[in-house]
Order: sequence, then structure tokens, then C-alpha cells
Amino acid sequence: QKEVEQDPGPLSVPEGAIVSLNCTYSNSAFQYFMWYRQYSRKGPELLMYTYSSGNKEDGRFTAQVDKSSKYISLFIRDSQPSDSATYLCAMKTGGTSYGKLTFGQGTILTVHP
Amino acid sequence: EAQVTQNPRYLITVTGKKLTVTCSQNMNHEYMSWYRQDPGLGLRQIYYSMNVEVTDKGDVPEGYKVSRKEKRNFPLILESPSPNQTSLYFCASSGPTGGSREQFFGPGTRLTVL
Repeated sequence: QKEVEQDPGPLSVPEGAIVSLNCTYSNSAFQYFMWYRQYSRKGPELLMYTYSSGNKEDGRFTAQVDKSSKYISLFIRDSQPSDSATYLCAMKTGGTSYGKLTFGQGTILTVHP
Repeated sequence: EAQVTQNPRYLITVTGKKLTVTCSQNMNHEYMSWYRQDPGLGLRQIYYSMNVEVTDKGDVPEGYKVSRKEKRNFPLILESPSPNQTSLYFCASSGPTGGSREQFFGPGTRLTVL
């Protein structure tokens, strides 16, 4: 069993829809939770960063972490065609705020006009 | 501009021919790592380095070597490439400098081993 599981999709939604992306994990030592966005032929770029449980909002993006259920989510409101990308969840154990990340498989999202 | 650079961006080679993929960062980060990305498997860590002369294996180190002689550079070496090392490779760096927690990724190197 993989440490981090992510539905690969693909996910196709109309412009303006609310998108929900999810990951589950098995390692209870994970304390840092991140969402990366990766456009085609590019490296991943950090979207959201959360330490421990709770919610974090940044513009149209909301990240949620439920450590009791070992489940994290990324919500995208008012989705735009420019949001079309692969979204990767990533997690890290404690100690330092930087270091080895364990990634999910990535979810391919297409937002069509 | 803060960045991670990788070279080459694309490489086609043959089985057994040694190759090196270079990685350089200009952010004075202590931590650098290499990942490979394969369809359905996401990014998997190959090797990482916490600082100069300090390297350790990630999840899939077989067939790879690394070195960290300078803080800014972290080359990935394939001494005898095989077709199962055909993949998209990313170098990344991060560190507490300036309070940044972000891991910056390079643009990727697409390697094909025939």
C-alpha cells in the first residue's frame, strides 16, 4: 500500500465549478501537508502549505487537513481554464519544515470554457 | 531571480553509457533532492542531501549516484543507464533561509534510455 493515495482522475469540469481534490495517507507521522500544481512540461509549484490539522484559504483555493481521518483536500472555487493542470498532494514528517516529501500520484484536472 | 536549473532538459542515450544530469540552485538552500516522475506513480525521491558532503538514499536509489561538493550543485549520475530509468527527472531545493518552507523544483529533464 502506498503511503499517500490520490485519485489520478482525470477530472473534467466546466468553468466556474467548485473542484474538490483529495488525498488519503497512512503515515500518522506526517505533519506538513502541501498541494503542488504542475503544468504540462513544467516542474511542480507550491500552491498551499498547511502544518497539522485545520483549514487554510488563499484566494480561490482552500486546503483542509483532517489528521484524525488521515485525509486532506484542496478546493478550488470558481474554477478557470487556467487551473487546468496536474495537482499533486505532498506530505512530510516533522522535524524541520523542509526535507523529504512523499507525493501522491497526482490528479489531472481540465476546466473547460 | 530564485531558481533551480537543470541540464540537459532532454536526453536520449543508450544502455550502459554513463551520463550526468546537473542541478544548480541560487538560493543558498541547504537541502537538495532528486525525484523521478512516472505515469501513475507520481514523484518518487531518488536521493537527497541535507548539506555539503551529506547525502542519503530516498525511496528509489538503485542505479543512481549523487555528490554534493558545493552547496549550489547536486548532480545526478547514472553510471550504467538502463531502459527502466527512462523517466522525467526533477531536482528540487529548499531550506529555512528567509523563513521559506517552499521546495523549489527545476524544469525537469526528460531522459530516454534505449
